[in-house]
Amino acid sequence: DAKTTQPNSMESNEEEPVHLPCNHSTISGTDYIHWYRQLPSQGPEYVIHGLTSNVNNRMASLAIAEDRKSSTLILHRATLRDAAVYYCILDSGGSNYKLTFGKGTLLTVNP
Amino acid sequence: DVKVTQSSRYLVKRTGEKVFLECVQDMDHENMFWYRQDPGLGLRLIYFSYDVKMKEKGDIPEGYSVSREKKERFSLILESASTNQTSMYLCASRLGDLLRETQYFGPGTRLLVL
Repeated sequence: DAKTTQPNSMESNEEEPVHLPCNHSTISGTDYIHWYRQLPSQGPEYVIHGLTSNVNNRMASLAIAEDRKSSTLILHRATLRDAAVYYCILDSGGSNYKLTFGKGTLLTVNP
Repeated sequence: DVKVTQSSRYLVKRTGEKVFLECVQDMDHENMFWYRQDPGLGLRLIYFSYDVKMKEKGDIPEGYSVSREKKERFSLILESASTNQTSMYLCASRLGDLLRETQYFGPGTRLLVL
C-alpha cells in the first residue's frame, strides 16, 4: 500500500490560515487523496478528497502538486473547533478496498 | 445525514468473556469496516465487509471475527477477550468503492478488558 508522511504536530493561531502538508511519493495514478480529521473523543470525519485537480468545499481546500507526490490541506481561517488530528490517506479502491490511516498531524489552535 | 451508531460508548469486560460490538448504519451502504485505535498506532483495520455475508480480513484480524447478516448491521466479535484487546473500536460505512466515496464513522466504543 502506498504510504503517506505527515508532520506529527502543527500549531496555528485562531483566524489565521493553516497549511497541513502530506507527502505521498509512491502514489499510483488511480489513488485518490482523502483527508479526514478526528476531534477529541469522536470518530474521524471526512474533510475533503481529490484526484488531480485542486478541490474546495465548505470546510477546506485541497491543493495537489502537479506530480501528485504531495498535497496540502488548507484551512482558510482556523477556529478553536478545528483543533484535531488530521489524517491524509490514499484510497486505492477496488474489491480489496481499505484505507490505511497513519498517525496524522495533531493541529493545535491558539486563541 | 448518514448516521453510524455503535451499541455502546464504553464497555468493561473480563478476560475470557465473549464480547459483541454492534454497528448499525442507516444509509443502505454496501461497505462496512471495523478499526481499532490505540495511542501511537493510529487506526488499524480489523475487518471489512463489502456486502451481506461477505467479509475480508484487514491488517489485524487475529482474535476477532465479524458477522454481517443484514446490510445495515456489522458486528465485531471477540471470542475470548484478552487485555491486549483493550482499545477504542471504531465502525465505519461507505456507499461503495466505485466512486471512492467517503467513509462515515461512528462515535467509537471504548473497551476495557480486565
